Amino acid sequence: DTEVTQTPKHLVMGMTNKKSLKCEQHMGHRAMYWYKQKAKKPPELMFVYSYEKLSINESVPSRFSPECPNSSLLNLHLHALQPEDSALYLCASSQETGGNQPQHFGDGTRLSIL
Amino acid sequence: DAKTTQPTSMDCAEGRAANLPCNHSTISGNEYVYWYRQIHSQGPQYIIHGLKNNETNEMASLIITEDRKSSTLILPHATLRDTAVYYCIVLRDNYGQNFVFGPGTRLSVLP
Repeated sequence: DTEVTQTPKHLVMGMTNKKSLKCEQHMGHRAMYWYKQKAKKPPELMFVYSYEKLSINESVPSRFSPECPNSSLLNLHLHALQPEDSALYLCASSQETGGNQPQHFGDGTRLSIL
Repeated sequence: DAKTTQPTSMDCAEGRAANLPCNHSTISGNEYVYWYRQIHSQGPQYIIHGLKNNETNEMASLIITEDRKSSTLILPHATLRDTAVYYCIVLRDNYGQNFVFGPGTRLSVLP
């Protein structure tokens, strides 16, 4: 069982829809991350939040909008997505950023864009 | 971050030790070696990490060569549930946790 909870597990949406992915952790971690994983490919980092502030944006298109309302929650707001955005979206957290801090991942939201 | 290279795939007999190699020849002195695995339809699972010394936990052992240019993850008694993709990642300390996953090694544990 993972300590990082992601909802929903599956999401199907049209290209004109607006939806949000939610990630929650109660381990007291102060760093949280979004990754995107296409089929049969490794995860790719999208965003990093440290102490509720965005610290890394890996040149992600603006149709993906992250939000960190508090230290336990991380959202990813989706708008006007394209079919190529269909993927598994993974959330992770770590105690803090830094090299000696393992990241703990949720099981992801599988997103399909029609 | 240092680049890593791993075999594309490996097989291991159930009950035997699985030894997964990783080359990271451009690693710097303050870069940690991390291992994760991903079982189909799940998120990556943290296994172990280390800097210079060998490490062991309840899941696996990590052997890092003295020059730190390569490492081996050892699963001492592989089970069918260990079938997964195993990722070796090198992460610089105090850099902000920018994990860059390589293609990984697909380990198949055979009965």
